[in-house]
Amino acid sequence: KQEVTQIPAALSVPEGENLVLNCSFTDSAIYNLQWFRQDPGKGLTSLLLIQSSQREQTSGRLNASLDKSSGRSTLYIAASQPGDSATYLCAVRGVYSGGGADGLTFGKGTHLIIQP
Amino acid sequence: DGGITQSPKYLFRKEGQNVTLSCEQNLNHDAMYWYRQDPGQGLRLIYYSQIVNDFQKGDIAEGYSVSREKKESFPLTVTSAQKNPTAFYLCASTTGTGLYEQYFGPGTRLTVT
Repeated sequence: KQEVTQIPAALSVPEGENLVLNCSFTDSAIYNLQWFRQDPGKGLTSLLLIQSSQREQTSGRLNASLDKSSGRSTLYIAASQPGDSATYLCAVRGVYSGGGADGLTFGKGTHLIIQP
Repeated sequence: DGGITQSPKYLFRKEGQNVTLSCEQNLNHDAMYWYRQDPGQGLRLIYYSQIVNDFQKGDIAEGYSVSREKKESFPLTVTSAQKNPTAFYLCASTTGTGLYEQYFGPGTRLTVT
């Protein structure tokens, strides 16, 4: 069964720093990996999606990398801002012989605080 | 605007009562999902549906039921058999092919006392 781990569980840094969030998964047979942001009491917002054949994706100050063979992904946030404060969740979608869109397996998230 | 709506945002029920959570999407997505989120536990999959009139159990389906009579709608019923129903419930959808990028609704917080 797929397991997803995110390290660290919590992180507090001063504004302006570059930072890296880590995600690891146990089964490398994935279809894709998604990074989400969740604000308190809200739903999840998709930040980046990386297909299994891709190595990285970029959106603005965010860059996500994927090393499928080692079961790792990182989310790099450049020049952090107080508005980046949120919980960041990593999730993987498995590959199934029958096809179709099965559910994601989530990590428990990294709670990020950017100090002004 | 295209998106996923969940209603209500907050729901309160007495123990022993069944309750139905609404989820509607106008993204024309084929697949829809229900997740439960508890503090310190992450999101866990309850049920999912890849097509109308068909659905599959996720990891924690006991005490829940769903229906998929329309492509746009995927209501979740929390029955009295669910032992710990108090949680934050999230509905999601994806396209049926290609990217399978998942989109989420705003969630419903259910409190059972």
